[in-house]
Amino acid sequence: GAVVSQHPSRVICKSGTSVKIECRSLDFQATTMFWYRQFPKQSLMLMATSNEGSKATYEQGVEKDKFLINHASLTLSTLTVTSAHPEDSSFYICSAKGQQQPQHFGDGTRLSIL
Amino acid sequence: DAKTTQPNSMESNEEEPVHLPCNHSTISGTDYIHWYRQLPSQGPEYVIHGLTSNVNNRMASLAIAEDRKSSTLILHRATLRDAAVYYCILRDRSGYALNFGKGTSLLVTP
Repeated sequence: GAVVSQHPSRVICKSGTSVKIECRSLDFQATTMFWYRQFPKQSLMLMATSNEGSKATYEQGVEKDKFLINHASLTLSTLTVTSAHPEDSSFYICSAKGQQQPQHFGDGTRLSIL
Repeated sequence: DAKTTQPNSMESNEEEPVHLPCNHSTISGTDYIHWYRQLPSQGPEYVIHGLTSNVNNRMASLAIAEDRKSSTLILHRATLRDAAVYYCILRDRSGYALNFGKGTSLLVTP
């Protein structure tokens, strides 16, 4: 079946560091990719939607200069958390959708900012 | 997208069938009913989706009420690996992102 690969699975870094998370669709072309964030014991919250070759659309309250999204190809999207602080610590999950495909999710990246 | 209502938690014995309900009384004619599940520390996993007719796949069955105001995800024989949070989500054919509610936390006991 369709697979979405997300890397890295876990990041621990110091406050002020920028962190890049990759999301790849392995066996289908993802016309649209999504980035979610999930805090402990809460549900997933959509951060942004990106279409290949276009600027991402951010949900209300999500800072576009803080969370940089690049979707340069039909199989790769990246999320960069710039100058991360402890409050950015969370579980970040990407998902991808292709033509005639359900939305498939990566296994998430647990980001811990010290 | 219309709202769904699910019980916060359910419990099942291993190897027993599990019926997970979802109410969606404000569903529109173009809304598809999607089910995903999330195991601890993992991303959500697609389970099944449907529009009007009941659907079966290797993971589960989806029973949709005739008026489409409710649906039930059926796991025919629960295993310990089925313990997860199950999300029932509506999305119309023009929508893209899935919006997650709180889901139902399923506990499976040996």
